[in-house]
Amino acid sequence: AQSVTQLDSQVPVFEEAPVELRCNYSSSVSVYLFWYVQYPNQGLQLLLKYLSGSTLVESINGFEAEFNKSQTSFHLRKPSVHISDTAEYFCAVSELGRGSTLGRLYFGRGTQLTVWP
Amino acid sequence: KAGVTQTPRYLIKTRGQQVTLSCSPISGHRSVSWYQQTPGQGLQFLFEYFSETQRNKGNFPGRFSGRQFSNSRSEMNVSTLELGDSALYLCASSRYSSSYNEQFFGPGTRLTVL
Repeated sequence: AQSVTQLDSQVPVFEEAPVELRCNYSSSVSVYLFWYVQYPNQGLQLLLKYLSGSTLVESINGFEAEFNKSQTSFHLRKPSVHISDTAEYFCAVSELGRGSTLGRLYFGRGTQLTVWP
Repeated sequence: KAGVTQTPRYLIKTRGQQVTLSCSPISGHRSVSWYQQTPGQGLQFLFEYFSETQRNKGNFPGRFSGRQFSNSRSEMNVSTLELGDSALYLCASSRYSSSYNEQFFGPGTRLTVL
């Protein structure tokens, strides 16, 4: 079975500082990787995803994540955060080619990013 | 293009009652997944429907059930509610049932069981 670990439940940072939200996973099969963001009283929005190809993926709002297969990690980074980035961030994986788990995402417990002025 | 809609947004029930939650996927999407979100357990997969068939089911008791209609709209039902069923129930839709298709989430239904 899949497991996804987000190492930090809370990450407080000051505005314009860099941030890294860590995510590790374990799986016996290959995976696709996702980062979702959840603002208060809202559902989850996809931030970025890794399916194949370049291990560095970027989002339109300045976040990036790098897939590291040997370390089974998919850490999320942003060089300079804004107050509007305050939200909860979830790392998720899905398994390739397993009919029994199609359409299923395995989520980490989430990291609350709080950006202070 | 309208997003995923869930009704109702908030619900208060008492123990022992049953509840039905509704999810309308994005037009053209045929896969609907349901997740339960709680502070204690995080986000947990309930089940996934594709073309009116349940494709996958998470590790929840039989009190949790669902169905999908021919227009891809989905409902989930929880019978004999328990206090621990209080949660945010999220519905997600995707075009197909696959590992790589992006899942688009609705705003959720906040269920409180008293």
